[in-house]
Amino acid sequence: EDQVTQSPEALRLQEGESSSLNCSYTVSGLRGLFWYRQDPGKGPEFLFTLYSAGEEKEKERLKATLTKKESFLHITAPKPEDSATYLCAVRPGGGNKLTFGTGTQLKVEL
Amino acid sequence: ETGVTQSPTHLIKTRGQQVTLRCSSQSGHNTVSWYQQALGQGPQFIFQYYREEENGRGNFPPRFSGLQFPNYSSELNVNALELDDSALYLCASSSGQGEEQYFGPGTRLTVT
Repeated sequence: EDQVTQSPEALRLQEGESSSLNCSYTVSGLRGLFWYRQDPGKGPEFLFTLYSAGEEKEKERLKATLTKKESFLHITAPKPEDSATYLCAVRPGGGNKLTFGTGTQLKVEL
Repeated sequence: ETGVTQSPTHLIKTRGQQVTLRCSSQSGHNTVSWYQQALGQGPQFIFQYYREEENGRGNFPPRFSGLQFPNYSSELNVNALELDDSALYLCASSSGQGEEQYFGPGTRLTVT
């Protein structure tokens, strides 16, 4: 069965203090690892898709990387508006459903 | 380009009742997936519809059922509501079965 574990559960940063969120996964034949951002009471917002180990993608202050067992979401010089829950999900080979982790709740303070 | 929309926004039902939630997919998308998200948890896959056919199902009982219409909009029906069905129900659309999924704002269902 596909599994996704995210750490830490919660992270508090000062504005400008860079850090990384971790997503460890087990899946039969990875056919995509996805990062989403979710604000309270809203639907997840798509950020990145990674397909193979070594792949990296960037968007503003966010950079996602992928290895064969985990993915990292690096946040450089975060701002308060980056505060949200960040969700990681995997899609297995031969399947279409996404299996999500429980997320990392990020709070960036002034 | 119109994103994914869901209705209603909030809903309160009594245990044992039935509920129908609606989703309009993003323009150009032919695949709709439904997820249940309990408080503090990640979304859990319920099922996916592709070209009006169910195309994969998660570990949810048969009282969770769905439909997809020719315009690719979709409904989620839940019969015999239980207290544990209280959650945020999310609809996501994609341009194919395996493409990136874009989520709607969700429907918050409360069962009392």
